[in-house]
Amino acid sequence: GQQLNQSPQSMFIQEGEDVSMNCTSSSIFNTWLWYKQDPGEGPVLLIALYKAGELTSNGRLTAQFGITRKDSFLNISASIPSDVGIYFCAGISGNTGKLIFGQGTTLQVKP
Amino acid sequence: NAGVTQTPKFQVLKTGQSMTLQCAQDMNHNSMYWYRQDPGMGLRLIYYSASEGTTDKGEVPNGYNVSRLNKREFSLRLESAAPSQTSVYFCASTPLQSNYGYTFGSGTRLTVV
Repeated sequence: GQQLNQSPQSMFIQEGEDVSMNCTSSSIFNTWLWYKQDPGEGPVLLIALYKAGELTSNGRLTAQFGITRKDSFLNISASIPSDVGIYFCAGISGNTGKLIFGQGTTLQVKP
Repeated sequence: NAGVTQTPKFQVLKTGQSMTLQCAQDMNHNSMYWYRQDPGMGLRLIYYSASEGTTDKGEVPNGYNVSRLNKREFSLRLESAAPSQTSVYFCASTPLQSNYGYTFGSGTRLTVV
């Protein structure tokens, strides 16, 4: 089936550093979504991208929809301790209309 | 505004037991979904309901059944639980089966011993 490859799997950074993570696929997606999951909670939507090449920001977060429609990245600038959590990319398949998730990136921030 | 509510939050079952996970949304969404989350594997779709009265299999449907009781409620049933079904289960909903971001519940942590 369709898969999203998300990297890195985990990151341990110092407070104030910038963070970058990405997702790639061999298939085309119509929509890319980035979610954050806090411990014991469900994923919460951070950014949604609907058009190839689209660059969207939400506070310190910036995400882009790749021009080939097969990839996306998320950047977090000036990280803070509350950024800790698992970040998931997700794509809505152009073929099936289903939401498919990447494996997640676990972010830890050292104060 | 509660959003998506899942019950129970935690459950321990013995192998072979059955149980139903409940999900309800108060956002008048048409589409509802059940995912399971396992370490290192992201969230995988078990079943979904594009609209009231319809259900379809997702990526990992074996061992599960679902019921879309009404527009608000979508339940997931394990008829004979197995240790491989130990996981965290999430329910989600969207206005339509479309490009809108999904709203997730807070999850049910299930352990099968």
